[in-house]
Amino acid sequence: GQNIDQPTEMTATEGAIVQINCTYQTSGFNGLFWYQQHAGEAPTFLSYNVLDGLEEKGRFSSFLSRSKGYSYLLLKELQMKDSASYLCALLDTGRRALTFGSGTRLQVQP
Amino acid sequence: DADVTQTPRNRITKTGKRIMLECSQTKGHDRMYWYRQDPGLGLRLIYYSFDVKDINKGEISDGYSVSRQAQAKFSLSLESAIPNQTALYFCATSDLMGQSTDTQYFGPGTRLTVL
Repeated sequence: GQNIDQPTEMTATEGAIVQINCTYQTSGFNGLFWYQQHAGEAPTFLSYNVLDGLEEKGRFSSFLSRSKGYSYLLLKELQMKDSASYLCALLDTGRRALTFGSGTRLQVQP
Repeated sequence: DADVTQTPRNRITKTGKRIMLECSQTKGHDRMYWYRQDPGLGLRLIYYSFDVKDINKGEISDGYSVSRQAQAKFSLSLESAIPNQTALYFCATSDLMGQSTDTQYFGPGTRLTVL
């Protein structure tokens, strides 16, 4: 099976940088996804890591270390609209389905 | 127009009733998924399908059934709804081939309440 851990809640200030961590235990996976979800809405794709290292997409970056069972999502120049839940998910090697963590609710304050 | 649509968006029903949630997509993707989301538990996989003839159970399939009527349509049924099936249900699609392989795209969700 797979076990994914994320902090439940985080608070950050508008304009700042925030790092949301994700640790996992699994026997194998194809890649790690990050999704953003505003309350009551659908998750939307942010980033995907297959290999170790950093993937950068505008204000969002995601990092993966397979040997450490660790990923993070980095959000720069925070905006109020970034207040949302951020979901870490592992892609199963066989089913090609996602196993999600419980999500981190980020509140951006003025 | 939205690429992945779900109907209904909201539904209130009673214990024991049969309910069908529908999902349609115009993305041309082969793979479709049903998840449920409960507060504090994240999204959990109910069923998934790689094509019309391929249906597979996820972690929490008990009490649910699905039908893949066409490549673009994947419906979820609750044969006899119970209160602990109250949740937010999401359909998702992904592409077997193509540039965005494995990225899942979610529909807007159906909020189901079972009284």
